[in-house]
Amino acid sequence: GQNIDQPTEMTATEGAIVQINCTYQTSGFNGLFWYQQHAGEAPTFLSYNVLDGLEEKGRFSSFLSRSKGYSYLLLKELQMKDSASYLCAVTDSNYQLIWGAGTKLIIKP
Amino acid sequence: IAGITQAPTSQILAAGRRMTLRCTQDMRHNAMYWYRQDLGLGLRLIHYSNTAGTTGKGEVPDGYSVSRANTDDFPLTLASAVPSQTSVYFCASSDQDRAVDEQFFGPGTRLTVL
Repeated sequence: GQNIDQPTEMTATEGAIVQINCTYQTSGFNGLFWYQQHAGEAPTFLSYNVLDGLEEKGRFSSFLSRSKGYSYLLLKELQMKDSASYLCAVTDSNYQLIWGAGTKLIIKP
Repeated sequence: IAGITQAPTSQILAAGRRMTLRCTQDMRHNAMYWYRQDLGLGLRLIHYSNTAGTTGKGEVPDGYSVSRANTDDFPLTLASAVPSQTSVYFCASSDQDRAVDEQFFGPGTRLTVL
């Protein structure tokens, strides 16, 4: 079966750095997405990786290793507004998007 | 309208009733999607449409139907609601189909079936 694994919850301190991991086992691979979802709101797009390596976008970076079935989202200089759930999703060989259950990130002052 | 709108925002429904959730986008996107989101589970695709006039089944289509008469609208109908359909429903759209493009989400509809 197809599977996306992420930690259920993480806690970090304001101003620090946090890395949210995502591992996947899917039938094929055509890209990996990260979305942010604040409580009670809709998901919003953060990043898309289709090739191995690091993509940096301001305070957020996303890394992909296709051979290891692994990605991480790196958040730097954490702010209270970064408290949210972070969703990992993979496009499989049938071009269907498979979603992880999300990682709830709690930021403490 | 800017982006995607959904209606209603929330609804309490008696089991056995018929209900249509509305979704409209003004971005002229080709593809549209309906998801449900339940606590502890990832977003699950109910139905999708790659272009006006076509629809397809997702991971959890049973008990739901959709239509795509034009580019902008993608309503989701529950023919006879059951309590297991209590969930938050998100409509989304993307410029390209085949899940290789960013998806834009509506604000969601919180549905409770009693």
